[in-house]
Amino acid sequence: SQKIEQNSEALNIQEGKTATLTCNYTNYSPAYLQWYRQDPGRGPVFLLLIRENEKEKRKERLKVTFDTTLKQSLFHITASQPADSATYLCALTEGNNRLAFGKGNQVVVIP
Amino acid sequence: DTGVSQDPRHKITKRGQNVTFRCDPISEHNRLYWYRQTLGQGPEFLTYFQNEAQLEKSRLLSDRFSAERPKGSFSTLEIQRTEQGDSAMYLCASSRTSGDTQYFGPGTRLTVL
Repeated sequence: SQKIEQNSEALNIQEGKTATLTCNYTNYSPAYLQWYRQDPGRGPVFLLLIRENEKEKRKERLKVTFDTTLKQSLFHITASQPADSATYLCALTEGNNRLAFGKGNQVVVIP
Repeated sequence: DTGVSQDPRHKITKRGQNVTFRCDPISEHNRLYWYRQTLGQGPEFLTYFQNEAQLEKSRLLSDRFSAERPKGSFSTLEIQRTEQGDSAMYLCASSRTSGDTQYFGPGTRLTVL
């Protein structure tokens, strides 16, 4: 099964700057990759999905890239706001049915 | 679209007791998934249903765990003879079909004393 790596250290970033998170995986490239946001004590909230034949996807202030050669996805939050403070989870499909998640990367936006 | 709901939100039980959780998926979503999440980790897959059929179970799902989706709508997850290691957040998700985005519920936080 996939090993999915996300930076275990929290990312502290000044309000207004761009936060960039990394998701690396080890085995086969999945058909698609998803990013979720999770707040303490709550379930993950879907943000973006990117397919293996897509290089980049955007949604408002969010941007995701997917490099199947590097086996890596980058997640960007531009013009970050304190309300963006949360844990962000990278998830890959396995067998087209279930998701395999990384441990998540906490983002703290400092006003 | 009311979203995925789970009940209860919190459950505290003593070791050895049985507990049952309920998940109501988004209506018309054929797929329903159960995941477990412990502190500092991402969710881990437990099992999933296509309508009422349970199609896959993780090796994490020991014999003490059982899940049902009798009418292809809501699902229940039962844990028998709970152990302290079962303490976790149990998450339910649903999707329209295979390969579709999975939408998660708020989770049930289980604490086994």
